[in-house]
Amino acid sequence: NAGVTQTPKFQVLKTGQSMTLQCAQDMNHNSMYWYRQDPGMGLRLIYYSASEGTTDKGEVPNGYNVSRLNKREFSLRLESAAPSQTSVYFCASSGSSGRWGSYEQYFGPGTRLTVT
Amino acid sequence: QKEVEQNSGPLSVPEGAIASLNCTYSDRGSQSFFWYRQYSGKSPELIMFIYSNGDKEDGRFTAQLNKASQYVSLLIRDSQPSDSATYLCAVRGGYQKVTFGIGTKLQVIP
Repeated sequence: NAGVTQTPKFQVLKTGQSMTLQCAQDMNHNSMYWYRQDPGMGLRLIYYSASEGTTDKGEVPNGYNVSRLNKREFSLRLESAAPSQTSVYFCASSGSSGRWGSYEQYFGPGTRLTVT
Repeated sequence: QKEVEQNSGPLSVPEGAIASLNCTYSDRGSQSFFWYRQYSGKSPELIMFIYSNGDKEDGRFTAQLNKASQYVSLLIRDSQPSDSATYLCAVRGGYQKVTFGIGTKLQVIP
């Protein structure tokens, strides 16, 4: 049981390049999330997917797109990377099967992205 | 006003003392409250959950919730150097939306 996995762990992009961050969970959770974390800003929600087939914008969606490929996988795409997107990106999932049974979120290990 | 407010710290406590971490929130309709621990360079890890007024204990951790005053706190008893981390408060309101505070950095001094 791997929980939430993310690839890659580290990435360096040049301005204007594109890339896709991959996320998968094996906890049979319905909901999945993408966050970015910046110093002094905390975790900010980029996009989320309440269930397979649905996606919604979060607090900071500009410059990103997402795809909920199936129940397990939720990807985040940067079409034209900008230095302002330098951050640590976390994927999370939630469902009724967690320790507390309260749809708490479980996080992946993160992707550290630098855009030069 | 931020939806979830925490003092960024650092909060320094001696080993063996009680660490008290506080969080206030603005949405009176908030339903569930979570505490996450995040070590430097790692992802957040859920350590406590509370949804009703009062105290909830789990090992050395106690979460306290006061909905009338809109605050939630985390007490760590017998603090250890291994507790040194950033503690994130998270609040879930309507439509399952979860909002995180910026986190409080805790330093436990041996």
